[in-house]
Amino acid sequence: AQSVAQPEDQVNVAEGNPLTVKCTYSVSGNPYLFWYVQYPNRGLQFLLKYITGDNLVKGSYGFEAEFNKSQTSFHLKKPSALVSDSALYFCAVKNANNLFFGTGTRLTVIP
Amino acid sequence: DTAVSQTPKYLVTQMGNDKSIKCEQNLGHDTMYWYKQDSKKFLKIMFSYNNKELIINETVPNRFSPKSPDKAHLNLHINSLELGDSAVYFCASSQIRGGAHEQYFGPGTRLTVT
Repeated sequence: AQSVAQPEDQVNVAEGNPLTVKCTYSVSGNPYLFWYVQYPNRGLQFLLKYITGDNLVKGSYGFEAEFNKSQTSFHLKKPSALVSDSALYFCAVKNANNLFFGTGTRLTVIP
Repeated sequence: DTAVSQTPKYLVTQMGNDKSIKCEQNLGHDTMYWYKQDSKKFLKIMFSYNNKELIINETVPNRFSPKSPDKAHLNLHINSLELGDSAVYFCASSQIRGGAHEQYFGPGTRLTVT
């Protein structure tokens, strides 16, 4: 079965600094990987995905993610964090027709 | 227009009652889902429904039953509610056949069982 792991429950970063939210995956075959963001009392919003092609994927709100096959990682990145980026971030992997979600990482951007 | 909508947004009820949550998507997607998010924010798939094929997560109690009147709707019925059913329930949809696979989520229904 496919799975993802988010090793950090909480990430704190100063406004304007680069941010990274980590995700590692375990799949059989080629992975379909996704990042979602959840703001308080809201549903999940799709940020970006990797299916195939370029290892650096660009998504919404200036986020990007790098697919690294040798390290089985799909870390989410942004060059300059905004206070408004503070939210809960989920990595996910396609599992049959469903998505298997990681446990989430709470990102706090400190002004 | 809201792509995936759910009603109600909040639902407070007593143990033993039966309740329903409605979900509608206007994206023309062929697959719909129900997820449960617990108090620790863990997200767990409950059901997926594609072209009249229902796939059930085996850990979901049979008190939960999805009902799809048409492709755009997937409602969730819960019988004999228990305290442990308190959670936020999210509906989602995606296009599987020839599609991009990412799922779009509704705003959630916060269920509180007292």
